Formats: sequence, structure tokens, C-alpha cells
Amino acid sequence: QQQVKQSPQSLIVQKGGIPIINCAYENTAFDYFPWYQQFPGKGPALLIAIRPDVSEKKEGRFTISFNKSAKQFSLHIMDSQPGDSATYFCAEGSLERKNNAGNMLTFGGGTRLMVKP
Amino acid sequence: GAVVSQHPSWVICKSGTSVKIECRSLDFQATTMFWYRQFPKQSLMLMATSNEGSKATYEQGVEKDKFLINHASLTLSTLTVTSAHPEDSSFYICSAFPSGGAEKLFFGSGTQLSVL
Repeated sequence: QQQVKQSPQSLIVQKGGIPIINCAYENTAFDYFPWYQQFPGKGPALLIAIRPDVSEKKEGRFTISFNKSAKQFSLHIMDSQPGDSATYFCAEGSLERKNNAGNMLTFGGGTRLMVKP
Repeated sequence: GAVVSQHPSWVICKSGTSVKIECRSLDFQATTMFWYRQFPKQSLMLMATSNEGSKATYEQGVEKDKFLINHASLTLSTLTVTSAHPEDSSFYICSAFPSGGAEKLFFGSGTQLSVL
């Protein structure tokens, strides 16, 4: 089912560093590319999302870069903090719902990020 | 923002018993809800799509008689793990988005199921 390849699987950075997580997708029909943050024992929470007609989107310390021709998108976390330590998932999906059914999102494998103090 | 409430947050049961997990959209109506399963250090895998007033759509490899889904109202979907076995131990997460369509898919806080 997993059609979004996410890398790296784990990442360790020092406080203040800029971790970068990458995802590659295959299905060009999708038009919605979100990133989710998940803490242990909790459900995922939407962090930031982008549409393919935009090359970059920034919200606070989080930036998505989108390369449509390469079918890749990445998450950058500026000035990372220990509180950013979590698992991050990219996903792909469609905003168009057909017959009220179907999987809206397919997730990448996840990246466990640790930000050291 | 919209809230999806999932209950219980954790449950321990004996092998052979059934466990029901509830997923409620607290401040919006959801004709469609999704149930995911997540093993430790792995990604979320879609189990089924729950449709209000109709049968759920299950992903390939998911036993519909094992994982019963009921979406009886626009704000409630339930997942029942029947005759649970240790291999069913996992983190189960539901999600939903408003019926009118939205760019945000809201997730519940998850249910950790441990089958002894």
C-alpha cells in the first residue's frame, strides 16, 4: 500500500540544527501532500501541507519544499528544539472524494527525529 | 480546530474476547471515517473506510469478520476486534474529516490494544 518513500528512517540533530526529511511519490494524480507529527502513544497531528501548484510553503519553523518534476517533497525544521523530537510522516492524497469512499491518504514509512539539547 | 475523540485510549484484554473502540467527531459531521493500524516503529496502515449508513470498505488482507465496523451516525464509528488474539495487539487510530470536504484530516488520539 505504501507508495510514498520516506527517508531517512531516523535522524539525530543538535538543538538549533535544521533536520530535513524527504519523500518521493509515484502517483501524479494526487494533489495534496501533508506532513504529520506523531508523539509516542498519540495520534498523528497535521503539521503543514502543500498543493502541487506551489513550490514552497512555510508555517512558523516548518517549511515544505515541493519539486513536481522530480516527484519529491521535503520537510525542513528551522531552529529545531528538543520538543520537536517525534516521528514525522509524509503523506499523499486527493482532496477530491469519490463516492464518499476510498483512502484519502497514503503515508510514508516515517522518520524518527531526535533533537539533542 | 475540529476534534476527533477516540475511546478507550488503551485496553488490555484476554485472548478470545472482543474489544470495541469508539471514534467520535465532536464538532463536525463525518460521513466517512478511516481506521488505521500501527505497529511499533512502523507507519500507519489503512484497515478500512467506514461509511455512514452503509457497509465499510476493507483494505486487502483485512478480515472484515475479524474487524467489525459500524458507522451508525454522522458522528460515531466503532471498530470491534472480535475474538482478539495476541497478534491483534497494536495501536489503532481513527480519522475523519468534515462531510463538506476539507484539507484537514483529523486523527483521534489512538487506542493501544494489548491482548494477553
